[in-house]
Amino acid sequence: GAVVSQHPSRVICKSGTSVKIECRSLDFQATTMFWYRQFPKKSLMLMATSNEGSKATYEQGVEKDKFLINHASLTLSTLTVTSAHPEDSSFYICSARDFHGYTFGSGTRLTVV
Amino acid sequence: DAKTTQPTSMDCAEGRAANLPCNHSTISGNEYVYWYRQIHSQGPQYIIHGLKNNETNEMASLIITEDRKSSTLILPHATLRDTAVYYCIVRITSGTYKYIFGTGTRLKVLA
Repeated sequence: GAVVSQHPSRVICKSGTSVKIECRSLDFQATTMFWYRQFPKKSLMLMATSNEGSKATYEQGVEKDKFLINHASLTLSTLTVTSAHPEDSSFYICSARDFHGYTFGSGTRLTVV
Repeated sequence: DAKTTQPTSMDCAEGRAANLPCNHSTISGNEYVYWYRQIHSQGPQYIIHGLKNNETNEMASLIITEDRKSSTLILPHATLRDTAVYYCIVRITSGTYKYIFGTGTRLKVLA
């Protein structure tokens, strides 16, 4: 079946630094990918829609300058958390459309110290 | 996309069938019902989807009521590894539409 690879699975960074998370569709092309954020024991919250070759569409309340999204190819979207702060610590998940719906990456646990 | 409501949590004995309900009373005629589950600290995993007919695959069965306002996901013989949060989502399949996740049902399979 379709596979979405997300990297890294865990990252710890210092406050003020930036962190890049990669999301790759391994055996299919994805013109659109989605980025979610999840807090402990909460549901997934959609952050933005990543479109290949164009600007991402952000959900209301999500700072686009804080969460930079780049979708430069049909198989890769990246999320960069800029000037990270402890409140940005969370579980970030990407997804991409495949033949039966959407396939999700395994998630990235970001801890900002 | 239509909203869905699910019970917050459920318990099920190992080996027994787990029946997870979902209400989607505002579903449109061209919207499918999708089920995903999320095991702790992993991304959601696709389980099954359907439009109006009942569906079965190697993981589960999906029963959709005739009026399509509700559905039930059935795990026929639950195991401890089925402990997860189960999400019911409704959406059309043409084009690219974003999934909006509800709160889901936290299923705990008990030994």
